[in-house]
Amino acid sequence: GAVVSQHPSRVICKSGTSVKIECRSLDFQATTMFWYRQFPKQSLMLMATSNEGSKATYEQGVEKDKFLINHASLTLSTLTVTSAHPEDSSFYICSAKVGEGQFFGPGTRLTVL
Amino acid sequence: QKEVEQNSGPLSVPEGAIASLNCTYSDRGSQSFFWYRQYSGKSPELIMSIYSNGDKEDGRFTAQLNKASQYVSLLIRDSQPSDSATYLCAVRKGGGADGLTFGKGTHLIIQP
Repeated sequence: GAVVSQHPSRVICKSGTSVKIECRSLDFQATTMFWYRQFPKQSLMLMATSNEGSKATYEQGVEKDKFLINHASLTLSTLTVTSAHPEDSSFYICSAKVGEGQFFGPGTRLTVL
Repeated sequence: QKEVEQNSGPLSVPEGAIASLNCTYSDRGSQSFFWYRQYSGKSPELIMSIYSNGDKEDGRFTAQLNKASQYVSLLIRDSQPSDSATYLCAVRKGGGADGLTFGKGTHLIIQP
């Protein structure tokens, strides 16, 4: 299957700092990537759809100025959590659209102190 | 009503038996349906996809879709302890929306 990587796998930061998470498709080109967030014992929640070369589409309730998404190439999408706060602590997972389905990256666990 | 509903479990099944996982969805316009497996602390892994009514088999896994009842299921035959995980049902609505809506997942435990 298609391989999607994420970096970093885990990050701990202080409140008020910004954190960038990278999502890469390793052996294929991904025009469309997605960013999800998962809180403990909860389902994955779609945050935004990232399209190469255009602005991301955000889901209702997700602040686009707080969660900056850039999809500058066909193999890389980045999510920047700006001015992170403890309530932003979560498991952030990207995925790439492959045909009708999606393949997920390994996730990034963000802890904001 | 939640968009995608699953019984959170845990569902406990003896090794070698059939595990049956169920999912209902609310949006009749949904077009694509997926089952993912998620181990604790890991990201989801695609197991099956199904797009039309009926059964779809892949190895020990069978996905079943009934659009009239808005119901999707996953059967796991000859259950193994390594099948113990949380199984997530996901739905793609279509109409240009590509993102998936997930259920909360069913925690499956295969007892040796």
